[in-house]
Amino acid sequence: GAGVSQTPSNKVTEKGKYVELRCDPISGHTALYWYRQSLGQGPEFLIYFQGTGAADDSGLPNDRFFAVRPEGSVSTLKIQRTERGDSAVYLCASSLNPGQIGEQYFGPGTRLTVT
Amino acid sequence: AQRVTQPEKLLSVFKGAPVELKCNYSYSGSPELFWYVQYSRQRLQLLLRHISRESIKGFTADLNKGETSFHLKKPFAQEEDSAMYYCALSGLETSGSRLTFGEGTQLTVNP
Repeated sequence: GAGVSQTPSNKVTEKGKYVELRCDPISGHTALYWYRQSLGQGPEFLIYFQGTGAADDSGLPNDRFFAVRPEGSVSTLKIQRTERGDSAVYLCASSLNPGQIGEQYFGPGTRLTVT
Repeated sequence: AQRVTQPEKLLSVFKGAPVELKCNYSYSGSPELFWYVQYSRQRLQLLLRHISRESIKGFTADLNKGETSFHLKKPFAQEEDSAMYYCALSGLETSGSRLTFGEGTQLTVNP
């Protein structure tokens, strides 16, 4: 079946601009996670959704970052006033049931470059 | 706070040789440990998890709570094992089963 998809695969933007990154999870998966992976690092947690609500946004680095999941499926990560330090691969993952620890399925990622 | 450490960024072995990728963790609760793998131009995928106690593609990993380690081992490495390997941690005390990853080890298996 279809896995987690993310669009766009690559995004180049200028410093100060606004960007939106989209994640389409596996159908039926109630839990959705965003991670950020900087060059040479492992993925770092940003935010977790259970259904439509953000259950844990403690990983968001600052208030320029925001994410929504209005209908409990597709999620959008929004970054305002982008900075060069935001350049990274943004990964989305989904899970059928967060109680099943670690059963997360990852998307291919969106590579964001801020110039 | 939870933390995962993979001391080797790069590891190179010859085909047929044993391989061990090291992982140490810090966590105050009951940990769940995983190994994720990313092959070239593919997405991150789960390789194995300690509670399953299974061997995937010949790899095994044993959770050692005394040494807080979860090293990944394979007795005879194959060229197709070349990939980026990430050790990851979660736990029942962790919100939504979020994962904490190590920095990763790039394994190269030479012919």
